[in-house]
Amino acid sequence: AQSVSQHNHHVILSEAASLELGCNYSYGGTVNLFWYVQYPGQHLQLLLKYFSGDPLVKGIKGFEAEFIKSKFSFNLRKPSVQWSDTAEYFCAASGNTGKLIFGQGTTLQVKP
Amino acid sequence: DAGITQSPRHKVTETGTPVTLRCHQTENHRYMYWYRQDPGHGLRLIHYSYGVKDTDKGEVSDGYSVSRSKTEDFLLTLESATSSQTSVYFCAISERGNTDTQYFGPGTRLTVL
Repeated sequence: AQSVSQHNHHVILSEAASLELGCNYSYGGTVNLFWYVQYPGQHLQLLLKYFSGDPLVKGIKGFEAEFIKSKFSFNLRKPSVQWSDTAEYFCAASGNTGKLIFGQGTTLQVKP
Repeated sequence: DAGITQSPRHKVTETGTPVTLRCHQTENHRYMYWYRQDPGHGLRLIHYSYGVKDTDKGEVSDGYSVSRSKTEDFLLTLESATSSQTSVYFCAISERGNTDTQYFGPGTRLTVL
């Protein structure tokens, strides 16, 4: 069955620390990958997406993600987090089925 | 932000009553989706629409029905609400389907007592 798994459920970091959030997917065939962010009290916003081409994808607010096909992974990274990055982060995948599957989400808390 | 509104934004209802949530878009996108968000589950697809009067089931469709009579409106109905349907419901739209970015509405918080 198609699935997306996020291993870190709750991450606490200090400002300026580096961030890496894990995402693994189980999908047959072509896969499209996304990271969404949900700031407190707000709706989901797209951080970045991968459809094809360069496996290193850059998104908004200094975030990037790397698609590693051999590891079925699409980890999100940021070299230096800020207090304003406190949010919930969702990895998601879609393929030829036409349906978007989300991971369970990772809550990031950045301490000032 | 994409032009997506949801109504109501908050609703409290009782078990067994019917409830309808509305999603309205001004982007003229073909695809519309309903998700529910629950702690520990992320977002799960309930139903989606790929055109006027064209809908299909998602991962957690039991107990829900949808209708789309106009491009801009997508309605989600809980025929007889249960406490397990207490959740936050998000509508999303996309132009070209699931190979495309989905844009999300502000959400509706539904509590079923």
